Amino acid sequence: AQKITQTQPGMFVQEKEAVTLDCTYDTSDPSYGLFWYKQPSSGEMIFLIYQGSYDQQNATEGRYSLNFQKARKSANLVISASQLGDSAMYFCAMREANFGNEKLTFGTGTRLTIIP
Amino acid sequence: EAGVTQFPSHSVIEKGQTVTLRCDPISGHDNLYWYRRVMGKEIKFLLHFVKESKQDESGMPNNRFLAERTGGTYSTLKVQPAELEDSGVYFCASSQIVAYEQYFGPGTRLTVT
Repeated sequence: AQKITQTQPGMFVQEKEAVTLDCTYDTSDPSYGLFWYKQPSSGEMIFLIYQGSYDQQNATEGRYSLNFQKARKSANLVISASQLGDSAMYFCAMREANFGNEKLTFGTGTRLTIIP
Repeated sequence: EAGVTQFPSHSVIEKGQTVTLRCDPISGHDNLYWYRRVMGKEIKFLLHFVKESKQDESGMPNNRFLAERTGGTYSTLKVQPAELEDSGVYFCASSQIVAYEQYFGPGTRLTVT
């Protein structure tokens, strides 16, 4: 069975510093996808970044990058130059790559607070 | 382009009552998913529609939950009768076929008292 572990329930980071949110995963499937979603206080889930298990390079999207270490089964999210608007819940998720079975398995989330 | 919408945004009902949640996916998205987050726990998969067909309902907790997607457009999730442990936030997400990104709605916060 798939499992996502986020060991940081909460983090406080000074504005403009970089922050790393940890995520480890467990799966027996050789083909899978990893996601990060942001949930601000308004409640919507915002897709941030995606990494496929066979992607050779780490995914990047603007200030977001995914530090993918396949052998260690980790997929940490790195946010560079943090901003006050980055304060939110962050969820790591995984999907099996089987066509027709794209359900996501989520971690418990990390609440990130950016301090001015 | 309109995003995924959910109605209502918040529902408070008493134990034993019935509640129906609605999700309107992004137009053209054949995949529709329901997820639930109980307070302090991870978001868990409930079920997956492809058009009007249930592809995977392995996450449905019990037979008090009934999901439908008539005509392959919007979907409803009915809880009857509601129990205290059903409280949580219910998310709907949609995606195109063979697309990895799921677009989430804002969720419906259900409180059963």
